[in-house]
Order: sequence, then structure tokens, then C-alpha cells
Amino acid sequence: DVKVTQSSRYLVKRTGEKVFLECVQDMDHENMFWYRQDPGLGLRLIYFSYDVKMKEKGDIPEGYSVSREKKERFSLILESASTNQTSMYLCASSSPGQGDSPLHFGNGTRLTVT
Amino acid sequence: QQQVKQSPQSLIVQKGGISIINCAYENTAFDYFPWYQQFPGKGPALLIAIRPDVSEKKEGRFTISFNKSAKQFSLHIMDSQPGDSATYFCAATTISGTYKYIFGTGTRLKVLA
Repeated sequence: DVKVTQSSRYLVKRTGEKVFLECVQDMDHENMFWYRQDPGLGLRLIYFSYDVKMKEKGDIPEGYSVSREKKERFSLILESASTNQTSMYLCASSSPGQGDSPLHFGNGTRLTVT
Repeated sequence: QQQVKQSPQSLIVQKGGISIINCAYENTAFDYFPWYQQFPGKGPALLIAIRPDVSEKKEGRFTISFNKSAKQFSLHIMDSQPGDSATYFCAATTISGTYKYIFGTGTRLKVLA
């Protein structure tokens, strides 16, 4: 089974802090994604990466950046956390090929910015 | 054009009943429509998916009905069980595209014992 591990289940940070959310997958997947989940808004794509050192903006990239130095690891960075970034963050991975490769999600990191 | 509209936002069903969740899309380029199931404290997981060349796909108690002309698709859960209580997300994407899924806003299903 694919395992996508997010390093923290809960995080509390202060406004203005630099925040790193880490994600590791163990299935040698090329594609990795960061989503944000908010009630009533569903899952919104922040960034995705289809190869090491490659990244593409999703639908809501403002205020975020990403890093993918190794195939198995995809990091989401909040350069200066703000209260409107309080949310559940979900990392996912998928195998390469066509768009019907299923997404495998981690269990999420609930970030609170105070 | 890129939205996927999902309804209802929440749903309560008696055990043994049928749960129905509906989604509508606008972009006719979408050609792959998965449903994801999310239990509390867990990430979403693929439940069932359909391509528009068929009007229905069934896997156990779960069925997707697809209406291409109306640009709508729905998830039916037959004989709903308390263990089906979860949040369900519909999604749409293009198979030959850039791996971008557009998700619906989610439906929180509660099945009463």
C-alpha cells in the first residue's frame, strides 16, 4: 500500500512565522500535490510537482512556496504565516501517466496561525 | 468553467436507506470523474470513478450514474451503513491533462444506526 506521511498532525504557529510542512511518500511516485481543505470549499490545489525540482502553481498559490529536492519528499512553505492560512493541509501523490492515476493522500496537517 | 458543484452539503440517512450525492460540471473537456471518501482524521481515498463513455458504474453498494448531456454525475450508496458515515468529494479532471483535479465542496454523510 502507498503510504504518504505528513510530519505533523497539528501545528500552531504565530503570525509572521516561516512554516514548513513536510510530506514523504514511499511508492516512488513522480507526482506530488499540496491541497488545502476548508469547510464548504472542498479541496483546493496549492502547488503540484511532477518531477524533482519541478513545480507548478495550482489554484491558490499566493502566500505559499514549495520545494522538491528529492523524489519522495515535497515540502510546503509558508514564508510569513497569516491567520487566513489556518486550515487543514493535505499532501498527495500519484504515479505518472494519465490523469486517472488515483491520488494517495496523507492524513493531513491541521495548521493554526494565531 | 472549472467549477464542480456538489450537493447536498450534508445528508442524514437511516441505516439501509439510499444515499444520493449529486455533482455538476461545466467544462466539457473533463473526461474522468472520481469520488473520494474521507473518514474523520484521515485523508481522502479513491472510492469509485467513471469515464463518460459509460452511463453507470457499480462497485458493490456504490454506483456512479453519469449524464453527459446534462453534465451531471451522482453517487448512490445502496443499503447505507453507519460505517459509510464520512465526507464524500466528487472530482473531475482530464485524463491527458496536467493531473489537476477539480474537487467539489464535499458532502458530509451520516448514517443513523
